[in-house]
Amino acid sequence: GENVEQHPSTLSVQEGDSAVIKCTYSDSASNYFPWYKQELGKGPQLIIDIRSNVGEKKDQRIAVTLNKTAKHFSLHITETQPEDSAVYFCAPQTQAGTALIFGKGTTLSVSS
Amino acid sequence: GAVVSQHPSWVICKSGTSVKIECRSLDFQATTMFWYRQFPKQSLMLMATSNEGSKATYEQGVEKDKFLINHASLTLSTLTVTSAHPEDSSFYICSAWTSRDGETQYFGPGTRLLVL
Repeated sequence: GENVEQHPSTLSVQEGDSAVIKCTYSDSASNYFPWYKQELGKGPQLIIDIRSNVGEKKDQRIAVTLNKTAKHFSLHITETQPEDSAVYFCAPQTQAGTALIFGKGTTLSVSS
Repeated sequence: GAVVSQHPSWVICKSGTSVKIECRSLDFQATTMFWYRQFPKQSLMLMATSNEGSKATYEQGVEKDKFLINHASLTLSTLTVTSAHPEDSSFYICSAWTSRDGETQYFGPGTRLLVL
């Protein structure tokens, strides 16, 4: 089965700094790469995703980059704000409609 | 975007009782629904996959007789925790998938279960 690792497990930044979280996966058949944000006491929320035929995708302050050869993808958040503080999960997937296998999560703390 | 609801959001029950959690897709028909469990400061762990009209597929280590899943319609799946014990206290989250939106899965807000 898929083995997913996220680094770092915790990340503390000052407001306005950039944050990068990396997700490494094992299954070369993975072709869908989403990032989820989970705030305390809430369900995960999809914030950005990328498919294997694209190397990078950007949505305002958030971007995802994919390196299929090395089997990792990264979440980039620029100009961080306190409301970005949350736990972020990656969940690479091999086939649409199958369950997501989540990484262990990265706790991002943005201090003002 | 698509919305998934869960009910209740919070439940407290006595040990030995059963608790039912509902997961609904509000504005779309979900081909498949998934149930996850999340302990404090941990990741989401898949419990089972549920397809409308068929028996749920449980992950290894998840007791199917304890966690009963019913997916009676394309918009509703229920998880019943039978004879709940304190160790079943957790955050239960469902997600729903529709082929209409490719790979995207939509998550519910979660249900916090506390067994006393």
